[in-house]
Amino acid sequence: DAGITQSPRHKVTETGTPVTLRCHQTENHRYMYWYRQDPGHGLRLIHYSYGVKDTDKGEVSDGYSVSRSKTEDFLLTLESATSSQTSVYFCAIQTSGSNEQFFGPGTRLTVL
Amino acid sequence: DQQVKQNSPSLSVQEGRISILNCDYTNSMFDYFLWYKKYPAEGPTFLISISSIKDKNEDGRFTVFLNKSAKHLSLHIVPSQPGDSAVYFCAASITQGGSEKLVFGKGTKLTVNP
Repeated sequence: DAGITQSPRHKVTETGTPVTLRCHQTENHRYMYWYRQDPGHGLRLIHYSYGVKDTDKGEVSDGYSVSRSKTEDFLLTLESATSSQTSVYFCAIQTSGSNEQFFGPGTRLTVL
Repeated sequence: DQQVKQNSPSLSVQEGRISILNCDYTNSMFDYFLWYKKYPAEGPTFLISISSIKDKNEDGRFTVFLNKSAKHLSLHIVPSQPGDSAVYFCAASITQGGSEKLVFGKGTKLTVNP
């Protein structure tokens, strides 16, 4: 258990509304990641962070922004949600000195 | 451009037999490979990994084989158990800009029948 929680676990929202998903970790890991999982696509990287206020884009970053103001929290924001952003979102951490990433339980987001 | 490919969306095996899940990759810069297992409504869980300098890694019932020349890796589960039924993702690690990132395949759904 890597001490990762995600909130909310489920959310239904309407097109055009802003949405923020939170990832919280308890073990001060430097690297944190946001993925989305969709049928037929596997897991795709949205954004990642390599330290406080240090973030970078992944392969599907359009329409998403992130912030990391403290080590334990990594926030994913959809500024104006669209139906194509309906997905399951996973946060992950990577422990120092290893290549393994450990995932949170996920957030199921539905945009109507 | 899909850099990590799992060409079999699904696989069905009998309990006690061997399950073989396959993965192909295209980027020779990948230096580490991982397998994750995912149950419905849960996050992926790390299963086993292998460095690009090795050709085999074993952990209990799970063995991963890497063939660098063919850019191919496989996960063997022996013997398969009903609890192994899940979606399995292959992932490859690459270091870019000082940060390590994983590239995932689309997954293979394994069903182990009692």
